[in-house]
Amino acid sequence: DGGITQSPKYLFRKEGQNVTLSCEQNLNHDAMYWYRQDPGQGLRLIYYSQIVNDFQKGDIAEGYSVSREKKESFPLTVTSAQKNPTAFYLCASSQRLAENYEQYFGPGTRLTVT
Amino acid sequence: KNQVEQSPQSLIILEGKNCTLQCNYTVSPFSNLRWYKQDTGRGPVSLTIMTFSENTKSNGRYTATLDADTKQSSLHITASQLSDSASYICVVSGENQAGTALIFGKGTTLSVSS
Repeated sequence: DGGITQSPKYLFRKEGQNVTLSCEQNLNHDAMYWYRQDPGQGLRLIYYSQIVNDFQKGDIAEGYSVSREKKESFPLTVTSAQKNPTAFYLCASSQRLAENYEQYFGPGTRLTVT
Repeated sequence: KNQVEQSPQSLIILEGKNCTLQCNYTVSPFSNLRWYKQDTGRGPVSLTIMTFSENTKSNGRYTATLDADTKQSSLHITASQLSDSASYICVVSGENQAGTALIFGKGTTLSVSS
């Protein structure tokens, strides 16, 4: 999985609880991304970070938060404000933010909220 | 509206047979097109990436073609194996767009049976 680790692989939470998904990369990449994947849909961008201490909202950021305190780490918090949190979450990284850089994906975390 | 459409939605073939997956896009101006393979419950893995000037690219038994004039791409799999069973995702990037502007197709689910 290209030097990107996500943990845990499966996560179960009760509705109303915040939960944090981990993403670590050892590729020395500047840019990192969080995507959400739902059955029958293409990947959708939640948040991205171009560099340490900087991050921007993607297409579906509502109910999520991130931090980028270290180059290697980009954790995603799914808050209780996210109406439909059950999904497969994918973290990715690329050397730079530009469109011609390859994105490498982690193995994903499947979150189930009941 | 920038879109990536993939067909068929799903496909079942016998082991050893060839198959071709299609991708049509409306992204303009165009920068590059990628094909990813995603095993069930795993992150996508890059197969090929093609720019405007490339019309064919191979990666082992996988051959991608690109017709930038008609905005169409195909992924041909030769002598399929059981391990080819996966979802194949077409991703298009616009020119001078950040890596956050990738347009993901919904994928084609391929099942290879013995």
